[in-house]
Amino acid sequence: SQTIHQWPATLVQPVGSPLSLECTVEGTSNPNLYWYRQAAGRGLQLLFYSVGIGQISSEVPQNLSASRPQDRQFILSSKKLLLSDSGFYLCAWSTGAFNQPQHFGDGTRLSIL
Amino acid sequence: AQKVTQAQTEISVVEKEDVTLDCVYETRDTTYYLFWYKQPPSGELVFLIRRNSFDEQNEISGRYSWNFQKSTSSFNFTITASQVVDSAVYFCALSGPKGSARQLTFGSGTQLTVLP
Repeated sequence: SQTIHQWPATLVQPVGSPLSLECTVEGTSNPNLYWYRQAAGRGLQLLFYSVGIGQISSEVPQNLSASRPQDRQFILSSKKLLLSDSGFYLCAWSTGAFNQPQHFGDGTRLSIL
Repeated sequence: AQKVTQAQTEISVVEKEDVTLDCVYETRDTTYYLFWYKQPPSGELVFLIRRNSFDEQNEISGRYSWNFQKSTSSFNFTITASQVVDSAVYFCALSGPKGSARQLTFGSGTQLTVLP
């Protein structure tokens, strides 16, 4: 069966520091991968998605970036965090077929001080 | 353009009451899929159900039931005899245009609180 792992689960970072969140999927090949952000009490905002190694599509211009160095690895990064980057970050995968659901990781709670 | 509206931001019920969560969608596609997800306080999103646009039969799974009405572009979710463990944020989602890797369009979610 397929599983998705995200880490860390919780992160507290000062403003201006770098960020690296990692997501890996097991049990499937060539998945579509997604990064979402959820501000407190709000809905899901799609940040990035990827259909293959090295292929990244950005939904929202910001100081975040994403990379997919391996087929089942998706990384969310920032060189300098802003206060507004606080939130709950969720990674998800899907088969890519439009009739299939996305499956989510447990998320990372990011607090910027 | 794709759009999903969950007009109920927050709902509060007492345990054992029935509760219906509304979802209205907009799409130009003739073939599409609708999804419901549950987000408990721990944060992870749990996939609950998928329904395709050609199947308007209601579906029941235990205390959960879903009413899909294409004529009103609605896909409502009812919890019968609610329990405290049902407290969560519930998201309705719509599949993206066929061929689009972007895939799902989510509603803004409904926070359900079930009081003991």
